[in-house]
Amino acid sequence: GQNIDQPTEMTATEGAIVQINCTYQTSGFNGLFWYQQHAGEAPTFLSYNVLDGLEEKGRFSSFLSRSKGYSYLLLKELQMKDSASYLCAVRGNAGKSTFGDGTTLTVKP
Amino acid sequence: DADVTQTPRNRITKTGKRIMLECSQTKGHDRMYWYRQDPGLGLQLIYYSFDVKDINKGEISDGYSVSRQAQAKFSLSLESAIPNQTALYFCATSDLASGDHNEQFFGPGTRLTVL
Repeated sequence: GQNIDQPTEMTATEGAIVQINCTYQTSGFNGLFWYQQHAGEAPTFLSYNVLDGLEEKGRFSSFLSRSKGYSYLLLKELQMKDSASYLCAVRGNAGKSTFGDGTTLTVKP
Repeated sequence: DADVTQTPRNRITKTGKRIMLECSQTKGHDRMYWYRQDPGLGLQLIYYSFDVKDINKGEISDGYSVSRQAQAKFSLSLESAIPNQTALYFCATSDLASGDHNEQFFGPGTRLTVL
């Protein structure tokens, strides 16, 4: 099975940088996803890692270490609209994904 | 127009009633999923289907059933609704060739309340 851990809540200041961590234990690994979910809305895709290293996409970057079962999502130049829940999801060998409980990020002025 | 649609968007029902939630997609994806989300928690997989003739149980399938009527339609049924099935339900789709990395595309959600 899959076990995914991420912090429940984080707070950061507008314009700052925040790092959201995700650790996982899986019986199979075929990629790690980060999704953003605003309250009451559907999750939307942010980033994907399948090989070790950093993937950069504008203000968002995601890092993966498969040997450590560890990923982080880095958000730069925080904006108020970045206040949302961030979901880490691991896709196993069967093609389905397991989601963490999400990290609720609050950006303050 | 939305690529993944869900009906109804909101539903209030009583314990013991049979409820069907419907999902349609125009993305042409083979894979479809049903998740539930409880407040403050992530998404739990109920059922998933990788093509029209394929149905698989997820983590929490008890009390639910599904039907894949066509490539574009995947329905979730609660045979006899109970209060702890009160949740936000999401349908999602993906495909081996979808997006950049076969990521999932989610519908807007159905908020179900069982009294």
